[in-house]
Amino acid sequence: QSALTQPASVSGSPGLSITISCTGTTSDIGSYNYVSWYQQHPGRAPKLIIYGVSKRPSGVSDRFSGSKSGNTASLTISGLQAEDEADYYCSSYTDIPSVIFGGGTTLTVL
Amino acid sequence: QLHLQESGSGLVRPSETLSLTCIVSGDSISSGGFSWSWIRQPPGKGLEWIGYIYQSGTSYNNPSLQGRVTLSVDRSKNQFSLNLKYTTDADTAVYYCARRDDWFDPWGQGLLVTVSS
Repeated sequence: QSALTQPASVSGSPGLSITISCTGTTSDIGSYNYVSWYQQHPGRAPKLIIYGVSKRPSGVSDRFSGSKSGNTASLTISGLQAEDEADYYCSSYTDIPSVIFGGGTTLTVL
Repeated sequence: QLHLQESGSGLVRPSETLSLTCIVSGDSISSGGFSWSWIRQPPGKGLEWIGYIYQSGTSYNNPSLQGRVTLSVDRSKNQFSLNLKYTTDADTAVYYCARRDDWFDPWGQGLLVTVSS
């Protein structure tokens, strides 16, 4: 069971936007609308920021948005802020049933 | 507000069984159709799903852990547990518990478990 594929790192300047991709297969992202995204600051537990591909939990900034096309999901952060600097992980339901995570992406705000 | 807290030994000897409990407060573990999950993160690495269990006792585990995982739930104590047997140093990680509803939320704060002699 291989991890979903994410870029190891992305960076962006304050105020601008970035997108993190998460590529899976027809056994996970391509077949289910159960993609979620998590933000993790150093030394802290992950925090849910997107669920069901594009839904935001209460209290999460609308600067975070999610989408999916085929076997690839994406997280977009607009209006980058220093506090957005963190690791980001995608996750999807898969066949079996099972759950799979991406390898994680480190976001640097320049 | 739902709160989860991991408890257990932070040091396990190789080949022995790692045992952790997640104490749930703020709501009943039996409410809703949620499942209760374990996820781990080796130092400096990414997240790995271990398994999840419903309050009925039905559970699903990560096939890559090759049958070493046993999950259980104790509704009377409002907690659920993880046993991971035949541990090696590769099992050293921060272990998180979380509620699952096709996504994981909320998470416990995590517990570092080191496998070492």
